[in-house]
Amino acid sequence: AQSVTQPDIHITVSEGASLELRCNYSYGATPYLFWYVQSPGQGLQLLLKYFSGDTLVQGIKGFEAEFKRSQSSFNLRKPSVHWSDAAEYFCAVGGLKGGSQGNLIFGKGTKLSVKP
Amino acid sequence: DAGVIQSPRHEVTEMGQEVTLRCKPISGHDYLFWYRQTMMRGLELLIYFNNNVPIDDSGMPEDRFSAKMPNASFSTLKIQPSEPRDSAVYFCASSLGTRGLAGELFFGEGSRLTVL
Repeated sequence: AQSVTQPDIHITVSEGASLELRCNYSYGATPYLFWYVQSPGQGLQLLLKYFSGDTLVQGIKGFEAEFKRSQSSFNLRKPSVHWSDAAEYFCAVGGLKGGSQGNLIFGKGTKLSVKP
Repeated sequence: DAGVIQSPRHEVTEMGQEVTLRCKPISGHDYLFWYRQTMMRGLELLIYFNNNVPIDDSGMPEDRFSAKMPNASFSTLKIQPSEPRDSAVYFCASSLGTRGLAGELFFGEGSRLTVL
């Protein structure tokens, strides 16, 4: 079955520290991979996406993610976290299956708290 | 540019009442999606439209839910009659072309529904 797993429900890091949020997926077709961020009371905003090509992708706000096919992973990283990064982060997998829409599947999310 | 606009932002109603949620997609986008977010089930796709035509409504939970898109700039999600278990945040998202099929979506800020 297709699924996205974010093993960490809640992570707390100190401001200025590095960050890695984990994401593993199971998807029958060629995956398109996404990270979205949701600030409290807001909608989801696309951080970055992977469709093909270079497996290390850069996104907005200084985030990057690396696609590792052998590990079925798409972990999100940031070298130095800012207090404004506190939010909930969602990994998602989607894609075209036979030319028709593949339902975008979201993980349960990881809530990031940032300590001063 | 204006993003996806949803109304109302908050709705509190009593069980059995009709609820109508509204969405204005980004101008020029040809895909529109309705999602529901709950703590228990996370983000679920309810229905999506392409060029105002419903393409996949398999996520609509039951006949009490209906969605329409009478033109390219407006969509509604209606629940009649509403039940307490419908309490959730409902998101509308839009996208352009096949990027929308792949999952590159622009979300509104959501409509938080509470059914008493």
